[in-house]
Amino acid sequence: AQKVTQAQTEISVVEKEDVTLDCVYETRDTTYYLFWYKQPPSGELVFLIRRNSFDEQNEISGRYSWNFQKSTSSFNFTITASQVVDSAVYFCALRGNYGGSQGNLIFGKGTKLSVKP
Amino acid sequence: DTGVSQDPRHKITKRGQNVTFRCDPISEHNRLYWYRQTLGQGPEFLTYFQNEAQLEKSRLLSDRFSAERPKGSFSTLEIQRTEQGDSAMYLCASTETGSLNEKLFFGSGTQLSVL
Repeated sequence: AQKVTQAQTEISVVEKEDVTLDCVYETRDTTYYLFWYKQPPSGELVFLIRRNSFDEQNEISGRYSWNFQKSTSSFNFTITASQVVDSAVYFCALRGNYGGSQGNLIFGKGTKLSVKP
Repeated sequence: DTGVSQDPRHKITKRGQNVTFRCDPISEHNRLYWYRQTLGQGPEFLTYFQNEAQLEKSRLLSDRFSAERPKGSFSTLEIQRTEQGDSAMYLCASTETGSLNEKLFFGSGTQLSVL
């Protein structure tokens, strides 16, 4: 079975604080893909990053960074110097490469981030 | 730049009625997905198409649900004899090529309320 767990339901920070959103996944596939999506109040999910299971290099994109650790099945997302515009629900998602889940994303329940001025 | 378009944005219906939603993907995208999202949850996969072929359906998709993509372009999702439990946001997404690691482009969704 495949599963994505985002234990943090809601996080509230003050602008300019750093914040880390946790994601833990379960899969039996040896090849899989991990994603983060952002869902602002407008409702449209926006792709942030895709990571392949065989590439454990961490990635940085501006104020965003991602820490992928296969040993702990985690794919955490850090926002540095948060801004009010970062307020949204963030979803971690998993896509396997084989078996019944081929072709679809398994999403976590999301973490609602509120950044206050 | 035309993104994924969904129509209508909101639909209110009475229990037992049929409803149909439409999705227009990004024009060069050959894969189209339908997801359902309820309040406080992540999107749940319903079905997907590659061109006009429906390749996978979730067990969530009961017999009352049917999806089509007749010409490999736009898609429709029909729910027959709606129930209150069908109330949710229905999201459409598209992507290009056949690679499983392609990112999805989502529409803004159709919010269904069944009274």
